Amino acid sequence: DGGITQSPKYLFRKEGQNVTLSCEQNLNHDAMYWYRQDPGQGLRLIYYSQIVNDFQKGDIAEGYSVSREKKESFPLTVTSAQKNPTAFYLCATTTGGYQPQHFGDGTRLSIL
Amino acid sequence: AQTVTQSQPEMSVQEAETVTLSCTYDTSESDYYLFWYKQPPSRQMILVIRQEAYKQQNATENRFSVNFQKAAKSFSLKISDSQLGDAAMYFCAYRSGYNFNKFYFGSGTKLNVKP
Repeated sequence: DGGITQSPKYLFRKEGQNVTLSCEQNLNHDAMYWYRQDPGQGLRLIYYSQIVNDFQKGDIAEGYSVSREKKESFPLTVTSAQKNPTAFYLCATTTGGYQPQHFGDGTRLSIL
Repeated sequence: AQTVTQSQPEMSVQEAETVTLSCTYDTSESDYYLFWYKQPPSRQMILVIRQEAYKQQNATENRFSVNFQKAAKSFSLKISDSQLGDAAMYFCAYRSGYNFNKFYFGSGTKLNVKP
């Protein structure tokens, strides 16, 4: 089945710790995105990538980092510099033209 | 930059009734695409319906239809014969026809469905 897999579903971070959220896709889509969603709120763009080895900051990139070494994978690292990381994180992909974004099932990150 | 506004943070509808969710957007572009997504309590984002700006005909998907008013920059979602499973957050989204990688989302409307 084609789709987007985010893992883990739940993640806990200790103070001062970096954690990495995984996003893998087999849709052969070029563009990949990371969004943050706080309770009852909309989506805010963290980073996006159009092609391998290239990515762009979104609206709230501070405290986050990404890599795009393979077309299929776009991991997000939440660094210790992100002081309020508790949120729901969504990964999305798309192809060109008029296509919508397709979303993974998300990762819920909490602070221990 | 484009902005997408959903002015109704929360709405309620009786089961089997019809409800309309509002969305307006601000853009100077002539080519773009609009989408409605549903996010149920499971938090999965599900595409409900899409509309290309160059098409005058309003999109329809079963009980879901849109009222696309390009001049007014309005893109409302109508849900007919509402069902309990329609209860969710609904997000309006805009995709540029010039910079395909840019998507803009509204803040969402929470829809409650009363039995």
